[in-house]
Amino acid sequence: NAGVTQTPKFRVLKTGQSMTLLCAQDMNHEYMYWYRQDPGMGLRLIHYSVGEGTTAKGEVPDGYNVSRLKKQNFLLGLESAAPSQTSVYFCASTSDYGYTFGSGTRLTVV
Amino acid sequence: AQSVTQLDSHVSVSEGTPVLLRCNYSSSYSTSLFWYVQHPNKGLQLLLKYTSAATLVKGINGFEAEFKKSETSFHLTKPSAHMSDAAEYFCVVIPSGSARQLTFGSGTQLTVLP
Repeated sequence: NAGVTQTPKFRVLKTGQSMTLLCAQDMNHEYMYWYRQDPGMGLRLIHYSVGEGTTAKGEVPDGYNVSRLKKQNFLLGLESAAPSQTSVYFCASTSDYGYTFGSGTRLTVV
Repeated sequence: AQSVTQLDSHVSVSEGTPVLLRCNYSSSYSTSLFWYVQHPNKGLQLLLKYTSAATLVKGINGFEAEFKKSETSFHLTKPSAHMSDAAEYFCVVIPSGSARQLTFGSGTQLTVLP
C-alpha cells in the first residue's frame, strides 16, 4: 500500500548514543517533515524538506540533523541522544492533495 | 505568537450528548485549517479540512466544523458522542508563506462517559 513508512517503530537508547530514523514515502511527494509529539504539546516540527537535496529547520531543531539525499527518503539523526529527546516521532509528506503521516517511532532515551 | 490555540485540554461528555471542541487561530496565519484525531497509541487521522470553499465543513464520523473569520475560530462539533469518539483531537493550521508545514494546537483529550 502507498504511504509513509517509518523505521524503526520502537527504540531504547542510552544517553549519548546515536541513531537514525528513516522515513520512506512512495507517493513522489516533494515535501517531507519530521515532528515530535510530547504530552500536552501537540506535534512540533523538527526539520522539513521541500525537495531532494534540501532541508530546513523547524520549531525545535536542536540536537537533530536531517538529510534528503533521495526524494523518497527523509532521515532524522540524533548524534548524541539526551533524555529530553524521549518522544514519539512522526514523519509526514504532502502533495497538493493532502498529507500522509507515518505510524510513528516511539523513542526512549535512558 | 501562538498560531493556533485549543481552549480546552480535556473535555468529558456523556455518550449521546453533543461534543464541542474549541479552537482559535491567529488571523495572521493561513486560512487552511484542519482537525486531526489520534486514538490511543495510533497515528493521526484527518477528520476534516477547511480551504475557504464553504464555512461549514463536514468531516468523517459525523463531525463538522464552522470557520468563523470574525471570531478567528474553527470549533469542532458532533451532535451525539459515541464511545468510539474517545481520543485526542488536534486543530491544525498552515502558516501563510510557509513550506506547507502543519502547525498543531496542543490537543484536546475527549473522554466519553457511558
